[in-house]
Amino acid sequence: DTGVSQDPRHKITKRGQNVTFRCDPISEHNRLYWYRQTLGQGPEFLTYFQNEAQLEKSRLLSDRFSAERPKGSFSTLEIQRTEQGDSAMYLCASSRDPGQGRNEQYFGPGTRLTVT
Amino acid sequence: AQTVTQSQPEMSVQEAETVTLSCTYDTSENNYYLFWYKQPPSRQMILVIRQEAYKQQNATENRFSVNFQKAAKSFSLKISDSQLGDTAMYFCAFSAYNFNKFYFGSGTKLNVKP
Repeated sequence: DTGVSQDPRHKITKRGQNVTFRCDPISEHNRLYWYRQTLGQGPEFLTYFQNEAQLEKSRLLSDRFSAERPKGSFSTLEIQRTEQGDSAMYLCASSRDPGQGRNEQYFGPGTRLTVT
Repeated sequence: AQTVTQSQPEMSVQEAETVTLSCTYDTSENNYYLFWYKQPPSRQMILVIRQEAYKQQNATENRFSVNFQKAAKSFSLKISDSQLGDTAMYFCAFSAYNFNKFYFGSGTKLNVKP
């Protein structure tokens, strides 16, 4: 169990550029979640995958945001035409299914995005 | 829609003392779960304790316990014998029974003083 990893840890980009973040969940976890956390706030749910299927999307996930989990393992979150309001910490978490015993979420260290 | 409210932005406690963090929530769901997460400075968020709404018994994990009042939609966290390592942001969170979506409060910053 090597934990959830995210790459990059920090990203600085100019407004209007596209960015992509990667999340590698714990290997036996088939659930994967993306959150956005702004300074002084709790995480806001963005989207959730069960294996490769994206089953839940928040209204926060505008058409500039897209997430994929092509083989049910790692996931990517892409933000197109970044805006300054996209500056935040993007967190990834993974878990087992509820029927597979303890299904607590394990969080990654996050990717801090700064849009200048 | 579900909402989670933490009304204490910041709290302090002396080492070895007891502190209680408050959380209220709103939901029309009958089956759900409540959680407390800890986010130490510049470190990853970890689960502290969870409560299943259908269980009347309050959850406990070592020095951490909850006071779950379902009718009042209240879910407070009690930390006994506070330690310096408990210094962190604490987030209350809600999930419906299927764990498809999680809602977090705005957090309480806890500072344990030596």
